Amino acid sequence: DGGITQSPKYLFRKEGQNVTLSCEQNLNHDAMYWYRQDPGQGLRLIYYSQIVNDFQKGDIAEGYSVSREKKESFPLTVTSAQKNPTAFYLCASSPSTGPNQPQHFGDGTRLSIL
Amino acid sequence: AQSVTQLGSHVSVSEGALVLLRCNYSSSVPPYLFWYVQYPNQGLQLLLKYTSAATLVKGINGFEAEFKKSETSFHLTKPSAHMSDAAEYFCAVSGLQGAQKLVFGQGTRLTINP
Repeated sequence: DGGITQSPKYLFRKEGQNVTLSCEQNLNHDAMYWYRQDPGQGLRLIYYSQIVNDFQKGDIAEGYSVSREKKESFPLTVTSAQKNPTAFYLCASSPSTGPNQPQHFGDGTRLSIL
Repeated sequence: AQSVTQLGSHVSVSEGALVLLRCNYSSSVPPYLFWYVQYPNQGLQLLLKYTSAATLVKGINGFEAEFKKSETSFHLTKPSAHMSDAAEYFCAVSGLQGAQKLVFGQGTRLTINP
């Protein structure tokens, strides 16, 4: 079945450590997105990518970095500069970035601080 | 600032009762509107979307939503609640801040009482 796979499901970060969250899709979608979810705040866009080797900052990009070297992969790195990284991270994809395109979501990675 | 507001962070109904989850948006242009559902520790699943073809939109699991331009609303309803409907529901809008961005409401947690 086609879908989005996020790994790991749970991740723990030590102080000063960078961690990378994996997102892989086999839907052949051009656009991919990373969101952060905090209780009572809905989802906030971190980064998005419309095409391979291109990506743009979302609303809360500080302390995060991404790459898009392959169409099916869009990993997110949470750097030590992100002082409050504890959250639920969701990856999504859509056929394109048109405004009428619904996004398909993975099952998320929950990141916590040790 | 353009935004999406979901009235009521928690809604509780009895099994078999009407479900009504409220969503209002602000926009100076006709938007595209979406409702998503999230079960615990999972990603978001698309329930339905409005893309200007019809003001009453039918989705999965018996849900529907009506677009009312004069009220800038897109409320989600289901005639008869089922225990399996217990989840968090998000309203989202695109076309407001760039074609690539979905803006999410804060979410409404739906509880079903037996």
